[in-house]
Amino acid sequence: GESVGLHLPTLSVQEGDNSIINCAYSNSASDYFIWYKQESGKGPQFIIDIRSNMDKRQGQRVTVLLNKTVKHLSLQIAATQPGDSAVYFCAEKGYNFNKFYFGSGTKLNVKP
Amino acid sequence: GAGVSQSPSNKVTEKGKDVELRCDPISGHTALYWYRQSLGQGLEFLIYFQGNSAPDKSGLPSDRFSAERTGGSVSTLTIQRTQQEDSAVYLCASSNAQQDGNEKLFFGSGTQLSVL
Repeated sequence: GESVGLHLPTLSVQEGDNSIINCAYSNSASDYFIWYKQESGKGPQFIIDIRSNMDKRQGQRVTVLLNKTVKHLSLQIAATQPGDSAVYFCAEKGYNFNKFYFGSGTKLNVKP
Repeated sequence: GAGVSQSPSNKVTEKGKDVELRCDPISGHTALYWYRQSLGQGLEFLIYFQGNSAPDKSGLPSDRFSAERTGGSVSTLTIQRTQQEDSAVYLCASSNAQQDGNEKLFFGSGTQLSVL
């Protein structure tokens, strides 16, 4: 079956630094990817998405990079803030399958 | 409210009892998902409803789990004869697939189920 995994389970960064969270996916048929942020006690919240016809997409302080050759996805957060502390999940979906598969998540700790 | 609503937010039950978890999706969203999240883990797919199509039940872990979606809106996840390993957060999400194929899931806050 499909699998989506993350390289680092926990990431600690200093406030103001940039953060990079990585994700590997295994299904080459996946063509749509989303990053979610989950704060304690809450459901995941949409951050940014990207389709497979793109390599990069930017949002407010966040950038998602997609490398289809090695099936790798990353989320970059600029000038990380304490409010960015959360667990981040990547999710993949393909045209030929109707549900999202989620990775196991990376916990981001932002140190003041 | 405009978001996905789940109830109850917390449920404590005894082993062997049945439980029902409810999800009110965003109005007009045609797709509804149930996921399970164990402590410190990722999201495990359970079941998916899309419009009037037959649901995708491929993620349900056993026949003790079932779900319904009435009138294309509210969904109920039922767990019969609960076991301690059923303890988890049960998350519901809804979406309205876009014409360009992009589909953003909107999640509820989940139901924390504790089986004693």
